[in-house]
Amino acid sequence: SYELTQPPSVSVSPGQTARITCSGDKLGDKYACWYQQKPGQSPVLVIYQDNRRPSGIPERFSGSNSGNTATLTISETQAMDEADYYCQAWDSINRVFGGGTKLTVL
Amino acid sequence: EVQLVESGGGLVQPGRSLRLSCTASGFTFDDYGMHWVRQVPGKGLEWVSGISWNSGETDYADSVKGRFTISRDNAKNSLYLQMPSLRPEDTALYYCVKDKVAIVKTHTGAFHMWGQGTMVTVSP
Repeated sequence: SYELTQPPSVSVSPGQTARITCSGDKLGDKYACWYQQKPGQSPVLVIYQDNRRPSGIPERFSGSNSGNTATLTISETQAMDEADYYCQAWDSINRVFGGGTKLTVL
Repeated sequence: EVQLVESGGGLVQPGRSLRLSCTASGFTFDDYGMHWVRQVPGKGLEWVSGISWNSGETDYADSVKGRFTISRDNAKNSLYLQMPSLRPEDTALYYCVKDKVAIVKTHTGAFHMWGQGTMVTVSP
């Protein structure tokens, strides 16, 4: 079965740029999505189709996808961005999630 | 405002059944595919099942294929998940999720809007 691999944790200082990666075989041939989940809350879609932002998502959030790696980039990271982030793709059979990355802003 | 309200969860013994329901509002329900996604508390997300706008296609994760059945009633703006023969490993928070597109077997889909979830606990 298809697997997406994310680093368990990423740390960033306020105002800096955070990058969270998601790796999978030929992931660049698929569309990647990203979800943000804060403690006690439901996930929120922040990026879809590699680099598109849903309405209401700040421009600080951007995405890219090439080769075997998709990347979520958060510019000018704020304390409110601290959350778990999940990547997701469709492998032509199932919709697959990565294991999630805890972003710490310190 | 999009609202997705799940119900039907609870504590059930292994081998018993549950039927989850989700009532949708704030959007044209029959324009979109719908899904169930689950999450063990403190763990990651797992897609469970999806259904297209007109029920023409359904899809299931391998972990529930042949056991769970997804359905929808567009007249009632409702999504369902029939879960017979429950196992302890089915214990999770089950989210009702609206897709960005109408079909489910597509690379352009995304889990756009999420409900608050309903907890299913399978334990003796």
